Amino acid sequence: AQSVAQPEDQVNVAEGNPLTVKCTYSVSGNPYLFWYVQYPNRGLQFLLKYITGDNLVKGSYGFEAEFNKSQTSFHLKKPSALVSDSALYFCAVTTGKNTGFQKLVFGTGTRLLVSP
Amino acid sequence: EAGVAQSPRYKIIEKRQSVAFWCNPISGHATLYWYQQILGQGPKLLIQFQNNGVVDDSQLPKDRFSAERLKGVDSTLKIQPAKLEDSAVYLCASSRTTGSDTQYFGPGTRLTVL
Repeated sequence: AQSVAQPEDQVNVAEGNPLTVKCTYSVSGNPYLFWYVQYPNRGLQFLLKYITGDNLVKGSYGFEAEFNKSQTSFHLKKPSALVSDSALYFCAVTTGKNTGFQKLVFGTGTRLLVSP
Repeated sequence: EAGVAQSPRYKIIEKRQSVAFWCNPISGHATLYWYQQILGQGPKLLIQFQNNGVVDDSQLPKDRFSAERLKGVDSTLKIQPAKLEDSAVYLCASSRTTGSDTQYFGPGTRLTVL
């Protein structure tokens, strides 16, 4: 069964500093990996995804993520954090299996707090 | 392009009452999902439709939850009777197809069961 781990409940960073939100995954087969962001009382907004190809994926709002197959990780990064980036971030995984149904499994989320 | 629409946004009911949620997916999206998000957790898939057929409902508590997607567009999720532990945010999402296609989420319905 596929699973996602987000080891940090909360990440604190000062505005202007780089940020990293960690995610590791476990699947059988090739992974499809996603990052979503959730603001208070809002649904999840898609940030970026990795399907195949370049290990560095660029997404919305200046975010990027690096796929590392050997470490089974897909960490979310941004070179310079903004206060408005403060939100709840979810990593999710499904598989590239050709048969059967592959559901999207989410991590428990990491709260990012960017201080002015 | 209009996003996924959901209603109501908030609902408060007493336990043992019934409640229904509505979802309108992005136009042209064949796949529709209902998720349950309990406070402090990630979303958990309840049911997935491909057009108007159910693909997966393995985590749907079928003794009290039901869902339908008539005509392959709008969908409703019903809880009858509700329990205290059903208090959660119910999220609807849609995608063009399945697999690697991105799922786009609606704003959710926050249900409080008293």
